[in-house]
Amino acid sequence: DVKVTQSSRYLVKRTGEKVFLECVQDMDHENMFWYRQDPGLGLRLIYFSYDVKMKEKGDIPEGYSVSREKKERFSLILESASTNQTSMYLCASTKQASSYEQYFGPGTRLTVT
Amino acid sequence: GQNIDQPTEMTATEGAIVQINCTYQTSGFNGLFWYQQHAGEAPTFLSYNVLDGLEEKGRFSSFLSRSKGYSYLLLKELQMKDSASYLCAGGWGGYNKLIFGAGTRLAVHP
Repeated sequence: DVKVTQSSRYLVKRTGEKVFLECVQDMDHENMFWYRQDPGLGLRLIYFSYDVKMKEKGDIPEGYSVSREKKERFSLILESASTNQTSMYLCASTKQASSYEQYFGPGTRLTVT
Repeated sequence: GQNIDQPTEMTATEGAIVQINCTYQTSGFNGLFWYQQHAGEAPTFLSYNVLDGLEEKGRFSSFLSRSKGYSYLLLKELQMKDSASYLCAGGWGGYNKLIFGAGTRLAVHP
């Protein structure tokens, strides 16, 4: 089975802190994604990566950056956390040559106070 | 843009059938997914339609009409555990990107 793991299920940070969210997948998938999920808005794509060191902006990249130094690991970075970044963050991965099916991690609920 | 619209909430009775509709803009569309998401958990894959017609998988079926930009998820013999959010998502462009709808929260009552 595909397994996507995220570093934390729950995280509380203060405004202005630098926050790292990590995602690891064990199925040699080329594509990895970071979403945030908010009530009434659904999943919105922040960034995605289609190869090591390659990244593309999604629909809401402002305030975020990403890093993909190894194929299995995709990190989301909040350079200076703000209260409007309080949300559920979901990581997903998919194999490039297959269908669009994305496999999701369990999510990280981030609260910025 | 590639907007995806689905109802916000639905309720149904245990043992009944419920249909959750999803409409989308057709330009550049590659295929349509349905995901199930229980509260506090990650979305899990239910179905994928790329051709017109009905795909059946046990109690769940999904239908797609590409020309009409319309899909539905049909849940039969509803069980209490089917209470969840159901996410409609469309594939556009490369790199297997998905655009998600806001989700339909289904409540199944005894």
